[in-house]
Amino acid sequence: DQQVKQNSPSLSVQEGRISILNCDYTNSMFDYFLWYKKYPAEGPTFLISISSIKDKNEDGRFTVFLNKSAKHLSLHIVPSQPGDSAVYFCAATGANSKLTFGKGITLSVRP
Amino acid sequence: EAEVAQSPRYKITEKSQAVAFWCDPISGHATLYWYRQILGQGLELLVQFQDESVVDDSQLPKDRFSAERLKGVDSTLKIQPAELGDSAMYLCASSPSTGGEEQYFGPGTRLTVT
Repeated sequence: DQQVKQNSPSLSVQEGRISILNCDYTNSMFDYFLWYKKYPAEGPTFLISISSIKDKNEDGRFTVFLNKSAKHLSLHIVPSQPGDSAVYFCAATGANSKLTFGKGITLSVRP
Repeated sequence: EAEVAQSPRYKITEKSQAVAFWCDPISGHATLYWYRQILGQGLELLVQFQDESVVDDSQLPKDRFSAERLKGVDSTLKIQPAELGDSAMYLCASSPSTGGEEQYFGPGTRLTVT
């Protein structure tokens, strides 16, 4: 049973446009959500996170939105840059402190 | 900037052979994780250590996999015997706390079993 779902395997956007990466979860006990970015041949790096007490967190070009009632979060990248091309993993954790990852989405930003 | 170190970066082995991976977490990080990522899949937690103690190894195939962190610092993950289905990226991560937030990942070891 996949508790964190990233249903789209890939996304392609034009440089300068907005990238919207979606993530759904099923476990209502999750209370902290993270996005990681992964380049080929490298380990994932932490990007941005959000607590369940918030519905938005912004860091530069990156904003994460959380809709608890829909059990949905999204990562917005504005403006998108070619260097943003990578695999993005959504992850969630709760009281057991265990991170549950989605399968990832491959973002390609076209110059 | 402190980083998580892993070696080797790449490993090719024949099935039924033994293979071992090493991880050195960021200094002072009490929690260490081993993940497996099969191509196209998410990260699967294999084992979590808090200092030298195993906190969670529920997804570790214990018939062939073993992990240790004897002095609560660096860690070794071993597979014996390796099977074709073990081909994957093995990632080590560390965290200063057990809260599950922000884990720092190493570059991973790409294992290919032939």
